[in-house]
Amino acid sequence: AQSVAQPEDQVNVAEGNPLTVKCTYSVSGNPYLFWYVQYPNRGLQFLLKYITGDNLVKGSYGFEAEFNKSQTSFHLKKPSALVSDSALYFCAVRPYNQGGKLIFGQGTELSVKP
Amino acid sequence: DAGVTQSPTHLIKTRGQHVTLRCSPISGHKSVSWYQQVLGQGPQFIFQYYEKEERGRGNFPDRFSARQFPNYSSELNVNALLLGDSALYLCASSLTGGERQPQHFGDGTRLSIL
Repeated sequence: AQSVAQPEDQVNVAEGNPLTVKCTYSVSGNPYLFWYVQYPNRGLQFLLKYITGDNLVKGSYGFEAEFNKSQTSFHLKKPSALVSDSALYFCAVRPYNQGGKLIFGQGTELSVKP
Repeated sequence: DAGVTQSPTHLIKTRGQHVTLRCSPISGHKSVSWYQQVLGQGPQFIFQYYEKEERGRGNFPDRFSARQFPNYSSELNVNALLLGDSALYLCASSLTGGERQPQHFGDGTRLSIL
């Protein structure tokens, strides 16, 4: 079965420290991977994607993600967290040759404290 | 430029009723997808449309239906509403619905079933 797992329901980080939000996936074929962020009472905002090429992908607001094929992971990272980064983060995979369907993880609540 | 717009923002219905949710994609985008997000979970794929044709369907009962109009806007219809249909319904658009394209989400319609 195709799936995405975000093993941490919540991640707590102090402002200025690096942050990592974890994501692993299970899908047949080469996956297309995405990260989205959701603020309260809002829709999802696209952060970054991995399609092919360099394993380190840079995205919006200083976020980046590292694709690791052998570990089937796509962890989201930021070198220095801001209080305004506090939100719900979703990892998603688009299985190869299945059109536009996105499979989402259950989400990770990121809390950045001053 | 306007993003994806959805209407209404909130809706309260009772069991057994039907509901129609509306979505206008980003200008120039020809593909629309619908997702259901139950509280505390990641979005679940319902439908994708491109050029008025259904491109994909998720694991939802036949009570759920959708269509896309010549101007690329879309409607999601749900009949015989159940308590479990209470959720945030998200619409997303992309240029052609291709696998490599990120989907851009609206802020959703919050549907509550009493």
